[in-house]
Amino acid sequence: SQTIHQWPATLVQPVGSPLSLECTVEGTSNPNLYWYRQAAGRGLQLLFYSVGIGQISSEVPQNLSASRPQDRQFILSSKKLLLSDSGFYLCAWNQRGRGFDGYTFGSGTRLTVV
Amino acid sequence: QKEVEQNSGPLSVPEGAIASLNCTYSDRGSQSFFWYRQYSGKSPELIMSIYSNGDKEDGRFTAQLNKASQYVSLLIRDSQPSDSATYLCAPKETGANNLFFGTGTRLTVIP
Repeated sequence: SQTIHQWPATLVQPVGSPLSLECTVEGTSNPNLYWYRQAAGRGLQLLFYSVGIGQISSEVPQNLSASRPQDRQFILSSKKLLLSDSGFYLCAWNQRGRGFDGYTFGSGTRLTVV
Repeated sequence: QKEVEQNSGPLSVPEGAIASLNCTYSDRGSQSFFWYRQYSGKSPELIMSIYSNGDKEDGRFTAQLNKASQYVSLLIRDSQPSDSATYLCAPKETGANNLFFGTGTRLTVIP
């Protein structure tokens, strides 16, 4: 069966520090991968999605970036965090090449920038 | 601009009652719709999908879709305290494999 892993679960970082969040999917190949952010009291905002290694689409201009160095690995990064980057970061996946049937989220990373 | 409107609630219903959650969306081309349940502090979990106009039933859940009115709803029959959560409506974006989400309706089922 397929599983998605995200780490760390929680993170407290000072303003101006770098960020690296990692997401991996097991039990499948060629997944579509997504990064969402959920700020307090707000909806889920799509940040990045990827249909393959090295292929990244950005939905929102910001100081975040994403990379996909391997087929089942998706990384969210920042060189310098802002207070506004605080939120609940969620990685999600679905199977490419099959009819779209929604996607599965990882357990999320709660980031607090102080 | 793609928008999804949901009543933020909280919606309170007594145990055993029917909970009705509503959603309207702006993307007229959306063809697929999904309902996610999110417990406090947890990630969203897919509970229902619907692609055609009309009703789709799965256990105690019924999704209803009216594309002409750009309206989708979720009914929860025999509501249980364990149904207390935020419910997110998510249409699929036209021409892309992305979902865009409403802010969700918080449901509280009172024992």
